[in-house]
Amino acid sequence: EDQVTQSPEALRLQEGESSSLNCSYTVSGLRGLFWYRQDPGKGPEFLFTLYSAGEEKEKERLKATLTKKESFLHITAPKPEDSATYLCAVQAGRSNFGNEKLTFGTGTRLTIIP
Amino acid sequence: NAGVTQTPKFQVLKTGQSMTLQCAQDMNHEYMSWYRQDPGMGLRLIHYSVGAGITDQGEVPNGYNVSRSTTEDFPLRLLSAAPSQTSVYFCASNAGVITEAFFGQGTRLTVV
Repeated sequence: EDQVTQSPEALRLQEGESSSLNCSYTVSGLRGLFWYRQDPGKGPEFLFTLYSAGEEKEKERLKATLTKKESFLHITAPKPEDSATYLCAVQAGRSNFGNEKLTFGTGTRLTIIP
Repeated sequence: NAGVTQTPKFQVLKTGQSMTLQCAQDMNHEYMSWYRQDPGMGLRLIHYSVGAGITDQGEVPNGYNVSRSTTEDFPLRLLSAAPSQTSVYFCASNAGVITEAFFGQGTRLTVV
């Protein structure tokens, strides 16, 4: 069974204090790993897709990396507006459609204190 | 662009009532999905569709029905609401396989 585990569950940082969020996964045949941001009362918003080990992607203060067992979301010099829940999802297996194999983690709730 | 639009935003039902959650997208995406989000559980797939007239079950389909008569719309029907269906429901659309999902704002459903 595909499993996605995110850690920590919650993280409080001072503004400007860099850190990393972890997403470890156990799947058969990874096809893609996704990072989303979710603000309270809103739907998830897409950040990154990573397809293979060694791949990295950046957007403003965020950088996502991927190994064969886990992904990290690095946040550099965060600002209060980066406060949100960050979700990781993996798409795995062989199918015609793909959606039925998307497995989400429970998320990391990030709070940036001014 | 409106993206993915869900209605209603909030709903309270009594046990045994039925209702339909509406979802519409204006991006001409073939793939659409319904998820529920519960505390400590993550997003779980209920039903999905890969095009008009084609639907299939996800991880937690019991108690829900879907149909897809047009590319734009993908309604989710609760047949006989139960307290276990209290949750936040999200509709999403994708342009294709292994592409990012665009989510609606969600519907918070409470069944009493």
